[in-house]
Amino acid sequence: QKEVEQNSGPLSVPEGAIASLNCTYSDRVSQSFFWYRQYSGKSPELIMSIYSNGDKEDGRFTAQLNKASQYVSLLIRDSQPSDSATYLCAVNIAGGGADGLTFGKGTHLIIQP
Amino acid sequence: DARVTQTPRHKVTEMGQEVTMRCQPILGHNTVFWYRQTMMQGLELLAYFRNRAPLDDSGMPKDRFSAEMPDATLATLKIQPSEPRDSAVYFCASETGGGFGGELFFGEGSRLTVL
Repeated sequence: QKEVEQNSGPLSVPEGAIASLNCTYSDRVSQSFFWYRQYSGKSPELIMSIYSNGDKEDGRFTAQLNKASQYVSLLIRDSQPSDSATYLCAVNIAGGGADGLTFGKGTHLIIQP
Repeated sequence: DARVTQTPRHKVTEMGQEVTMRCQPILGHNTVFWYRQTMMQGLELLAYFRNRAPLDDSGMPKDRFSAEMPDATLATLKIQPSEPRDSAVYFCASETGGGFGGELFFGEGSRLTVL
């Protein structure tokens, strides 16, 4: 059974600091990795996707992937109170289609002003 | 602004009643999903369709849940009879189907409370 593990938090980070969110997965054939942000009472919103080992940067967000160690992380630089949300990690196997997508339960991030 | 539309946004009903949730996917998206989210279980895939054909509903309690896609602009999820344990937020999501299988666009959800 595919598993995606995240620390539920809450993770509390002061405004302006770097927030680091981590995710580990169990299925070695996983090939596609996604980070979704979900504000309280709202729906998940895709913010990053990564498919190759290494770093991928998009504005203040950096996704990091290490397939050998089976983890993916999300860094948020210059954290803002508006970044306070639950961040869901999602992992898919190669050629799995979206039915192979497995979500973690999310990490609750709080940015303290 | 293309988005997935779900109705109703909130539903309170009594145990045993029928509940129908509706979803209009983004025009041109050929893959439509139904997810359920609870605090305990997180996001669970209930069913999904590609080009209106049901591909997987293994996550759904089939004795009471049914999902259909009568046309490309409408997907439905029905619960009959509803039970208190069905209380959750139900999300519909759609995807173009041409990507890496994970770039989903979610609707705002239907929050169901079964008393």
